[in-house]
Amino acid sequence: DIVMTQSPLSLPVTPGESASISCRSSQSLLRSNGYNYLDWYLQKPGQSPQVLIYLGSIRASGVPDRFSGSGSGTDFTLKISRVEAEDVGVYYCMQLEQAPRTFGQGTKVEIK
Amino acid sequence: QVQLQESGPGLVKPSETLSLTCTVSGGSITSSYWAWLRQPPGKGLEWIAYIYYSGTTNYMPSLKSRVTISLDTSKNQFSLKMSSVTAADTAVYYCARLNGATTVTFPYHYFDLWGRGTLVTVS
Repeated sequence: DIVMTQSPLSLPVTPGESASISCRSSQSLLRSNGYNYLDWYLQKPGQSPQVLIYLGSIRASGVPDRFSGSGSGTDFTLKISRVEAEDVGVYYCMQLEQAPRTFGQGTKVEIK
Repeated sequence: QVQLQESGPGLVKPSETLSLTCTVSGGSITSSYWAWLRQPPGKGLEWIAYIYYSGTTNYMPSLKSRVTISLDTSKNQFSLKMSSVTAADTAVYYCARLNGATTVTFPYHYFDLWGRGTLVTVS
């Protein structure tokens, strides 16, 4: 199975500032079509996860443009510019380049 | 809009079979892929299985011998059965929809809709 490793595991942030989460995969997630098979999800406190980004960098419908995904191959980043209080929760990356789909451990974002 | 709701026993005895059902409302189950995932207390997410309305299934290899996913189009529901459960199977179980991305021309499905989750304790 592809192992997904996120860092940091905990991220205190100040509202209005930016925050970045790293996700590394044990194998390349880049396919010959030029896309990286990686999603980002956010699980807000007490809620189910919700998709933010798919194919490494495409924002899902309704996701604010302060969320952006970048990276390729084995190194990926989720950036939140101008963090808001509603952005707190646990962020997960998930790969679907190879079965089975596997998630990172999660990064807990909290307000300072 | 489409909503998912998990149902089933919250407590299962060790070695018995866990059975959960996900009811799809506001839309038809005869489209998309449908999946089960779980989250042990205080831990991360784990995909368990998915099924397409045609009957195609796919399972997490480490759970495949104990898990069955099925679909009932007449009831607009899909189900999960997990046999020989142990305490390690204690988790919040989520049902979810795998929806196809419309921004690309090749098949790509991500979890776009989730149920609220149901806690199953094995004890």
